[in-house]
Amino acid sequence: KAGVTQTPRYLIKTRGQQVTLSCSPISGHRSVSWYQQTPGQGLQFLFEYFSETQRNKGNFPGRFSGRQFSNSRSEMNVSTLELGDSALYLCASSLAETGSYEQYFGPGTRLTVT
Amino acid sequence: TQLLEQSPQFLSIQEGENLTVYCNSSSVFSSLQWYRQEPGEGPVLLVTVVTGGEVKKLKRLTFQFGDARKDSSLHITAAQPGDTGLYLCAALQGGSEKLVFGKGTKLTVNP
Repeated sequence: KAGVTQTPRYLIKTRGQQVTLSCSPISGHRSVSWYQQTPGQGLQFLFEYFSETQRNKGNFPGRFSGRQFSNSRSEMNVSTLELGDSALYLCASSLAETGSYEQYFGPGTRLTVT
Repeated sequence: TQLLEQSPQFLSIQEGENLTVYCNSSSVFSSLQWYRQEPGEGPVLLVTVVTGGEVKKLKRLTFQFGDARKDSSLHITAAQPGDTGLYLCAALQGGSEKLVFGKGTKLTVNP
């Protein structure tokens, strides 16, 4: 089975711009979660989508949003970028509907905001 | 919000040495996961422990879940440079389906 894929791998944006990141989960996985990873805060949960519905949400401002499509692919959007949004954004898929929350991560998108 | 405290934060050792890293919390967990993340990559799941007192082995890695299910440890025997990476523990936040991660232990094994 192919793993979780994320595009793009690297992105440089300017403050105030917006960005969209994409994630394709492992085939058969209906749950997709997004995380932000920074050296200071570690891995922080952004949100989880299951069957096109946001099921859980972390403590991030409304500038961070996401969606999931019928084929389970997911996108994450960040509007009005700030310098502090520079981070590695990780997507993970899981068979959450079976009670397993074991996460299978993609390689991440490294976002740099200048 | 329950926290997962990992220690030590950094660990640098020579090839062949043994080491143990810890994951502690004041909360009880139904299960706990360990991941390893290499530079430039996403974390990779190593193991899930479920039962208090459970011990799982993965080649030279031994994982233990505390009897009270509040803590866990990872022991590596005869560390190799390929073990270098960030070791993360994670557990479900109480009463929710959100996975909470510790900040990790950054391990460097020098040849």
